[in-house]
Amino acid sequence: SQTIHQWPATLVQPVGSPLSLECTVEGTSNPNLYWYRQAAGRGLQLLFYSVGIGQISSEVPQNLSASRPQDRQFILSSKKLLLSDSGFYLCAWSRVGITYGYTFGSGTRLTVV
Amino acid sequence: QKEVEQNSGPLSVPEGAIASLNCTYSDRGSQSFFWYRQYSGKSPELIMSIYSNGDKEDGRFTAQLNKASQYVSLLIRDSQPSDSATYLCAVQNYGGSQGNLIFGKGTKLSVKP
Repeated sequence: SQTIHQWPATLVQPVGSPLSLECTVEGTSNPNLYWYRQAAGRGLQLLFYSVGIGQISSEVPQNLSASRPQDRQFILSSKKLLLSDSGFYLCAWSRVGITYGYTFGSGTRLTVV
Repeated sequence: QKEVEQNSGPLSVPEGAIASLNCTYSDRGSQSFFWYRQYSGKSPELIMSIYSNGDKEDGRFTAQLNKASQYVSLLIRDSQPSDSATYLCAVQNYGGSQGNLIFGKGTKLSVKP
């Protein structure tokens, strides 16, 4: 069976500090991968998606970036965090070409102080 | 811009009643429809998917789809306090943006004992 791992679960970072969130998927190959952010009381905002190694599409311009160094690894980064980067970050995966919806990781609660 | 609209709620129902959650979408080319349940502080969990007009039942959950009216609903029979959560509607069009899911902002459901 497929599983998705996301860490850390919670993170408190000062303004201006760097960020690195990691997500890995097990039990499948060549998944589509996604990074979402959910701000308090707001909907899911798609940040990045990837259909393969090194292929990243950005949905929202901001000070975040994403990378996919391996088939089942997806990383969300920032060089300098802003207060507005606080939120609940979710990684998700889906199969290519067949739609069963997305499966989400457990999420990272990021608070920028 | 493709949109998915949901009443934010809260929708309050007594235990044992039927909860009815509604969703409308703007993209007529949408082909797949999903309902996710999100408990407070947790990640979304896929509970129902529907692809053709009509009803689809799974246990106490029934998803209903009317493509002509661009309308999706979720019925929860015999509602339990454990059903209290935010329910997200998601819509997918394979032909656009790699077929990314478009999420509504969710309806908060409260089931009173």
